[in-house]
Amino acid sequence: NAGVTQTPKFQVLKTGQSMTLQCAQDMNHEYMSWYRQDPGMGLRLIHYSVGAGITDQGEVPNGYNVSRSTTEDFPLRLLSAAPSQTSVYFCASSPAIGNTEAFFGQGTRLTVV
Amino acid sequence: AQKITQTQPGMFVQEKEAVTLDCTYDTSDPSYGLFWYKQPSSGEMIFLIYQGSYDQQNATEGRYSLNFQKARKSANLVISASQLGDSAMYFCAMEPNIIQGAQKLVFGQGTRLTINP
Repeated sequence: NAGVTQTPKFQVLKTGQSMTLQCAQDMNHEYMSWYRQDPGMGLRLIHYSVGAGITDQGEVPNGYNVSRSTTEDFPLRLLSAAPSQTSVYFCASSPAIGNTEAFFGQGTRLTVV
Repeated sequence: AQKITQTQPGMFVQEKEAVTLDCTYDTSDPSYGLFWYKQPSSGEMIFLIYQGSYDQQNATEGRYSLNFQKARKSANLVISASQLGDSAMYFCAMEPNIIQGAQKLVFGQGTRLTINP
């Protein structure tokens, strides 16, 4: 059981480039979320989804797009990378029922130069 | 507004001692959930323990227990008999409306715990 898988683990981008961070879960969870963690800080919610076709903004959504075409996948797109988006990105999933834990991926460390 | 406050940036504890990590929260929603996660130096987020706002008993998971004081809006993590492997960053988090699932967690800034041999 792989759980929540994020790819890539590390990425360096130039300012203005675009890219997609991938997130996949094999637990058939309805809920998925993206967070960013800046140095010395807790995680902050970027976007979340309660099911396929349904997404909503979190605390820090600017500069990011998401879509959820399947239950399993929840990619995060950076449209035009900026140095302020240098961070560690975590994807998480949780079930709609028995919702006492959010399962996190291993994280993607992104550096924008 | 929902907020989690962890007032201890760092703590140093002797091995085998018990340690309490503080967490206070603020929410106006009645049905919330409180979580503690451990983040070792390798970076992954490891779930430790969960407490629901309507749970009558304090949650326990092995060496971890959650001291839930609803009137004070506090949810402190207690680690008994600390081990060197407990050295990590610890985050308190809240789902403001747990009925809708653990999808919109609000995190505190974390406490870095160091266990000394």
